[in-house]
Amino acid sequence: DVKVTQSSRYLVKRTGEKVFLECVQDMDHENMFWYRQDPGLGLRLIYFSYDVKMKEKGDIPEGYSVSREKKERFSLILESASTNQTSMYLCASSTRASGRANSLTSSYNEQFFGPGTRLTVL
Amino acid sequence: ILNVEQSPQSLHVQEGDSTNFTCSFPSSNFYALHWYRWETAKSPEALFVMTLNGDEKKKGRISATLNTKEGYSYLYIKGSQPEDSATYLCACTGFQKLVFGTGTRLLVSP
Repeated sequence: DVKVTQSSRYLVKRTGEKVFLECVQDMDHENMFWYRQDPGLGLRLIYFSYDVKMKEKGDIPEGYSVSREKKERFSLILESASTNQTSMYLCASSTRASGRANSLTSSYNEQFFGPGTRLTVL
Repeated sequence: ILNVEQSPQSLHVQEGDSTNFTCSFPSSNFYALHWYRWETAKSPEALFVMTLNGDEKKKGRISATLNTKEGYSYLYIKGSQPEDSATYLCACTGFQKLVFGTGTRLLVSP
């Protein structure tokens, strides 16, 4: 079974803190993704990576950065947490579709999701 | 940004009812359509990925169709069971990246 794990299920931080959310997958997937889920909105893509040390901005990257030093691990960093970053954060991974690795081929195959981290910023 | 719309927003049916939801997306620059089921307190789980116009896929009592020319996909559940209660998400790849709809929340009462 594909397994995607996230470092915490629940996290409470204070405004201005630097926050690290970790995601690890054990299936050797090339692609990894970070989303946030807010009520009334679909999953929104923050950042994704289709290879080690590669990263691309998603639709809402402001206030976030990412790190992918190893294939199995993709970290989301909130440089200075703010209350509007209170949300559910989901990590996902997928295999790369055939063809050149890019943002399009990273989206072809089904994604496997972690359990989510519910972050509250006070 | 690609706009993916799902309807209805929520649905409440009785056990044994059959039901269907719609996912609408721009038909230009279409590459792939994903359906996921997201049960409360669990991770979203892929149901189908479809790429070809006219594609039909089935998994048990759940099936999906795809019309890329008119930009929609239907998800059908035959004989709904309480364990089908979940939010059903569709997502579409246009020029790049996967864009999710807001989901249809299904509640099946015994």
